[in-house]
This record gives sequence, C-alpha cells and structure tokens, in this order.
Amino acid sequence: GQQLNQSPQSMFIQEGEDVSMNCTSSSIFNTWLWYKQEPGEGPVLLIALYKAGELTSNGRLTAQFGITRKDSFLNISASIPSDVGIYFCAGQRAGETSGSRLTFGEGTQLTVNP
Amino acid sequence: KAGVTQTPRYLIKTRGQQVTLSCSPISGHRSVSWYQQTPGQGLQFLFEYFSETQRNKGNFPGRFSGRQFSNSRSEMNVSTLELGDSALYLCASSWTTGSNQPQHFGDGTRLSIL
Repeated sequence: GQQLNQSPQSMFIQEGEDVSMNCTSSSIFNTWLWYKQEPGEGPVLLIALYKAGELTSNGRLTAQFGITRKDSFLNISASIPSDVGIYFCAGQRAGETSGSRLTFGEGTQLTVNP
Repeated sequence: KAGVTQTPRYLIKTRGQQVTLSCSPISGHRSVSWYQQTPGQGLQFLFEYFSETQRNKGNFPGRFSGRQFSNSRSEMNVSTLELGDSALYLCASSWTTGSNQPQHFGDGTRLSIL
C-alpha cells in the first residue's frame, strides 16, 4: 500500500492565490518527484529533486527535498485556472532491488476558481 | 520527441478472460515500469523491466506478468481477469534503471471488467 502521506487531499482556491502541499514518509527516499495528472491523461513530471535540502523551481512551481530525506513540499505561486488537476508526490529509494520504482502519495486535488 | 505510447487506450473485458497491454517507451529509454491506478488504492507499482529482464516486482498476484523486447517495448498481461482488475494501467519509461531516473508516463490503458 501507500507509504507516502500527502496533504491536503483537496484544495479549493481563488485564482491568484499561492498553494502549498507536502508529502511525508516514515522512511528515507533518494529522490523526490512531483507530478500533475489531468483527466484522461497520465501523470506529467513537474519537478525532480535529487539531493537533501535541494530547492528547485520550474516557472511558478517550487519544490524542496527535506533535509531528513523523509519529506518534500511543492508550492505553486499566483495560481491560474490551468493549474487544476491532481498533484502527486513520488519517491525513489536507492538499492539494487529498488530500481526506478516509484512510491506515490495519495494525491492533492486542486481546484482554482477564476 | 514522441512520448510514451500505450495501446489500446480503452478495453472492455469480462471476468475470466485475459488481456495484453502494450507500451512503447520514449526513444532511447531502456527501462519500462508499469503501474495500476484505482480510486481506492491510488498508484501502485506492478513491475519494472530493463534490458529485457524484470528488475523488481510489486505486490500483485502472479496473474499479472510482463515482458520487454529487444527494442525496449514492453507488454503487460493479466490472466483470469477479476472485477477488481478494473483500473487505469500506466506505463512509464526512463533512460536506465536506478533511483535517480525520473520516469515519464504514457496516458494509460483504461481497462474495464464486466
């Protein structure tokens, strides 16, 4: 089952507001990734984080890899209607048996009111 | 650059039948992973293939199997279908296998079991 706790489960915001969501785990991950999924499509990679403490931006999106390697957060600034979708965090562990396997959070459903 | 291509997009089967899903990775990508997405369980890892070998496997029954061909294309097979197998099956590819390899997803095959 899921091993990543993602919160909040859903958010309803006004256009222009900033958004923050996070993921926590009881175990360490080597890599944290954030994806966005829209109806009828597969998850699209937004940001990948490879180093504890790393802060990375992609346009209006900023994500951080927690220093304990057990958490990550994603911020979206100045939200717009096309930000609507489900955002997933995902982690990858090191080790021969883990390969590229992703463990996912439950997702955050974002709704933006114009 | 073409993304991950999954066929078919939609499939309807009845209990007891078997099904084969296909995935063509991004050109040059050699690792292919499969995930099951359901409203109740979220995104769950099925297995990963690299260099035509299964690298690791998730917690699914033996009815779920896969293979990878020399051109890195992959197929997934589910035998003796059950109602609970209704889900979106997603394929993801990366350059190689490992914990620093971000995965890129296709749009999935929606499997419905009647």
